Amino acid sequence: EVHLLQSGAEVKKPGESLRISCKASGYSFTSYWIGWVRQMPGKGLEWMGIIYGGDSDTRYSPSFQGQVTFSVDKSINTAYMQWSGLKASDTAMYYCARPRFQGMGNSAFDVWGQGTMVTVSS
Amino acid sequence: DIQMTQSPSTLSAFVGDRVTITCRAGQSIGSWLAWYQQRPGKAPKLLISKASSLESGVPSRFSGSGSGTDFTLTISSLQAEDFATYYCQHYYTDPFNFGQGTKLEIK
Repeated sequence: EVHLLQSGAEVKKPGESLRISCKASGYSFTSYWIGWVRQMPGKGLEWMGIIYGGDSDTRYSPSFQGQVTFSVDKSINTAYMQWSGLKASDTAMYYCARPRFQGMGNSAFDVWGQGTMVTVSS
Repeated sequence: DIQMTQSPSTLSAFVGDRVTITCRAGQSIGSWLAWYQQRPGKAPKLLISKASSLESGVPSRFSGSGSGTDFTLTISSLQAEDFATYYCQHYYTDPFNFGQGTKLEIK
């Protein structure tokens, strides 16, 4: 069964750094892209970008370029998103999701992680 | 960026009603459109891809149509479990933006 397991909820202070993870199982990690989606409290879904598990090719939404960094560790089938200086406005639920077709970043997300809630507060 | 605009933002309906949600793209996206359902506290779930292809396991009361810039999601006979928020998303060229969502409420 294809599954994405995200790391647990985080509570951080403004200015702190953070890395959250998304561990894939049940498919060939290096053959698929993984995407990241933000959902601020009470708001809609925002596409942040995608990263390819095979070679770390990355596409960021202009809205998030320079705000976050995606990475992967192929040896453990895990994708990461990190911040170097969190802001209160980064408080949100973050989902990882897999596009349905291997090798294609431009396909619908058919598998989703359970989400990681990030709270940034002083 | 291609902006996606959904209407209405909120929709109130009765169980058994037929409802339609509209999604408009800022430029032609062919049929590169997906619809998702999100229940409170849950991750989104893919309902329809390629504008009209129903995902396996999704009830046949859900249907999608459209191409180019105008798309619709129709639920033919609302069931209690359908009250949720629905999002469209294009995947024509990145960034693959979502619409702002349509919250479907029980009347």
